[in-house]
Amino acid sequence: DADVTQTPRNRITKTGKRIMLECSQTKGHDRMYWYRQDPGLGLRLIYYSFDVKDINKGEISDGYSVSRQAQAKFSLSLESAIPNQTALYFCATSDVEEAEQFFGPGTRLTVL
Amino acid sequence: AQKITQTQPGMFVQEKEAVTLDCTYDTSDQSYGLFWYKQPSSGEMIFLIYQGSYDEQNATEGRYSLNFQKARKSANLVISASQLGDSAMYFCAMREGGNSNYQLIWGAGTKLIIKP
Repeated sequence: DADVTQTPRNRITKTGKRIMLECSQTKGHDRMYWYRQDPGLGLRLIYYSFDVKDINKGEISDGYSVSRQAQAKFSLSLESAIPNQTALYFCATSDVEEAEQFFGPGTRLTVL
Repeated sequence: AQKITQTQPGMFVQEKEAVTLDCTYDTSDQSYGLFWYKQPSSGEMIFLIYQGSYDEQNATEGRYSLNFQKARKSANLVISASQLGDSAMYFCAMREGGNSNYQLIWGAGTKLIIKP
């Protein structure tokens, strides 16, 4: 089983709709992250969380919100989706003792 | 200014040849880390290799090695004996400061295509 899972894997929605992307991990890591990927821009950090009570804005948090329901779960919400939020969204986790971040498979979101 | 620069948007390489993917970085921190990730067409991000700024030897992981030139601020990925399955996007990323820092700063990526 995958260590970091994301649901849904693909989603098409309409402008103005609320949508939630979910992330779960079995790695036991405290740190979790949400990124978006746009062509030619690499990955950009939306929000990150170091534990359940610690949530922080990243580089591009406007239009997004998050919820850390448990150590293993970190959700990203788009309160009112707009077309320029069409992107590939990644959840990632890391441990303070390890260098790399571990990524989920990604959610491809299209906002019409 | 870009903190991570990958100057090769795309590369074509013949199968079995070695490949060097360029990455230059900009930081004033003494402690930092450099990462390479692979993203195949299926979309997932796969960690390949890591180099810490204080590591004296270049990192190696199987067919992957990192040519770390600190004075030139470059961290090029070398893939030996390329295979068709190496065709993918490759991203260079940097973490400034120590492991307590959260943020990875990403380059725009290089699309590598291996020709049979």
